[in-house]
Amino acid sequence: KQEVTQIPAALSVPEGENLVLNCSFTDSAIYNLQWFRQDPGKGLTSLLLIQSSQREQTSGRLNASLDKSSGRSTLYIAASQPGDSATYLCAVVRGAGSYQLTFGKGTKLSVIP
Amino acid sequence: GAVVSQHPSWVICKSGTSVKIECRSLDFQATTMFWYRQFPKQSLMLMATSNEGSKATYEQGVEKDKFLINHASLTLSTLTVTSAHPEDSSFYICSAPSARGDKGTDTQYFGPGTRLTVL
Repeated sequence: KQEVTQIPAALSVPEGENLVLNCSFTDSAIYNLQWFRQDPGKGLTSLLLIQSSQREQTSGRLNASLDKSSGRSTLYIAASQPGDSATYLCAVVRGAGSYQLTFGKGTKLSVIP
Repeated sequence: GAVVSQHPSWVICKSGTSVKIECRSLDFQATTMFWYRQFPKQSLMLMATSNEGSKATYEQGVEKDKFLINHASLTLSTLTVTSAHPEDSSFYICSAPSARGDKGTDTQYFGPGTRLTVL
């Protein structure tokens, strides 16, 4: 059974800092990995999707990497802003032909002005 | 990007009553939708896969008679929590994959969620 772990559970940084969020998964036979953002009491917004054949994806100040063999992914946020404060969730697709996502518990990020 | 809506956004009900939650894909068709449940400080747990025109597929441990799912059209799936109890209080979120050919590359679009509180 696939398990997804995110460390740390919570993180507080001053505005402007660069930061890294970590995600690990137990079964390396994934199809792709996604990073989502969830604001309090809200749904999820997809940030980045990395195919299993890719090493990284970038969008603006966000960069996500994937090391499938070691079962790890990182989300790098450059020059953090207070608006980045949210919970960041990592999720993996179980396998080819599947849409189903297995989520981690998330990292709650607070960026202090 | 694609938009998925949910209604209601929050609901409070008495124990023993049934509650229906709607999930709509507003600008694309979704033959498959997913229902998740999220308890405080926990990850989203997949409850079931809603299939248009056929029965839903439930994850292990989810009571299909308690959580009724109907995928009546290509843009609407409903989740009905029957005889709700306080332990059913949770945040329910639906999702639908975008309409691309390769399932593995589709991005999931999530609804805003429905907060259910059972008194």
